[in-house]
Amino acid sequence: DVRLLESGGDLVQPGGSLRLSCAASGFTFRFYAMNWVRQAPGKGLEWLSGITGSGNKTYYADSVKGRFTISRDNSKNILYLQMNSLSVGDTAIFYCAKGRRVSAGSTFDSWGQGTLVTVSS
Amino acid sequence: DIQMTQSPSSVSASVGDRVTITCRASQDLRGWLAWFQQKPGAAPKLLIYAISSLHSGVPSRFSGSGSGTDFTLTISGLQPEDFATYYCQQTNTFPLTFGGGTKVEIK
Repeated sequence: DVRLLESGGDLVQPGGSLRLSCAASGFTFRFYAMNWVRQAPGKGLEWLSGITGSGNKTYYADSVKGRFTISRDNSKNILYLQMNSLSVGDTAIFYCAKGRRVSAGSTFDSWGQGTLVTVSS
Repeated sequence: DIQMTQSPSSVSASVGDRVTITCRASQDLRGWLAWFQQKPGAAPKLLIYAISSLHSGVPSRFSGSGSGTDFTLTISGLQPEDFATYYCQQTNTFPLTFGGGTKVEIK
């Protein structure tokens, strides 16, 4: 079975940084694109970033471009999201999600349970 | 960016009812439309991809239809476990975008 386990969520001050991780198992990691999606408290889903299976192409929402960086380690089956210059508006549950294909423009067939990021002073 | 507009934002229904949720895109999606279900405190789950293809393990009472910019999710014979929030998503163009969600509540 596909399993995605996020970690790294924490309470951080405005302007701070955080790195999220998503450990993947149950499938051949390098064969699939991966994504990060967030959900602010009581709000809807917002796609943040995607990366191809090989890691050679990345994509970002305008809201995080230049502040967040997606990456992956296919030797360890781990997806990352480096988040810098965090603001109160970034407070959310962050999910990693597996793409249906190796290319990044595919929908998400498996999701992790999410990790909570709280930005507050 | 492609805007995804769902309607209604909420619907009250009874067990056994047929429920229809619509999703309208601001541009032609060329078939790249998916539907997700999310229950409180849980991660979303994929129901349907490519407009009408049922994801593995999803009950056949869920169906999707549409083309171009207008799409529909139908639940035929609502079950107690179907009370949840439903989201459409387009994957035709980056940035990928979701609809605002439709909450299906118990009448």
